[in-house]
Amino acid sequence: AQKITQTQPGMFVQEKEAVTLDCTYDTSDPSYGLFWYKQPSSGEMIFLIYQGSYDQQNATEGRYSLNFQKARKSANLVISASQLGDSAMYFCAMRENQAGTALIFGKGTTLSVSS
Amino acid sequence: GAGVSQSPRYKVAKRGQDVALRCDPISGHVSLFWYQQALGQGPEFLTYFQNEAQLDKSGLPSDRFFAERPEGSVSTLKIQRTQQEDSAVYLCASSLKPLGDTVKNIQYFGAGTRLSVL
Repeated sequence: AQKITQTQPGMFVQEKEAVTLDCTYDTSDPSYGLFWYKQPSSGEMIFLIYQGSYDQQNATEGRYSLNFQKARKSANLVISASQLGDSAMYFCAMRENQAGTALIFGKGTTLSVSS
Repeated sequence: GAGVSQSPRYKVAKRGQDVALRCDPISGHVSLFWYQQALGQGPEFLTYFQNEAQLDKSGLPSDRFFAERPEGSVSTLKIQRTQQEDSAVYLCASSLKPLGDTVKNIQYFGAGTRLSVL
């Protein structure tokens, strides 16, 4: 079974609009972390935001926020006020504490922002 | 530099050749990771170093893949007798702390090496 599922291959949004990128995950480990990365065409994976399974509040970092719904096992990324420079591939990833593994990534969502 | 540096950025190899990919992590970072990213996919874990010790190599796809980090800093991923299925982007990441210290182990990535095997 897929550990990380990103069901939207591509998303389109206009500048200044908000957009939500979906991510669902599967784990039986009570302690885990969820990460979002941005990968522009240059190739570098850029860390955006982190949410821990025990965190009481949804994470926010500038224009990025994470809509964490633990019971539904979803961790959607919300980008407010989209900019042209937000056009990139976005990956959701998870780390399970007990498994001691590195990051497990989803297949990604391509975001295109138009003017 | 301040970030993770990888070289070369692009590598073209003939099938059967050996290649070596270099990663220079952020200074002082204890943990170093290698990932393989096929076209249109998310990265997949290959191997993990804590300082010079290779603690997890469960993701290496075959014994043709070998990684080292002899002095706990720069790492090299070597692929022997390359095959067409080895064509991918190889990403290196580093993090400040050992993997077991905290689940919040932020990994910082380089721009990757795009390997094409002809």
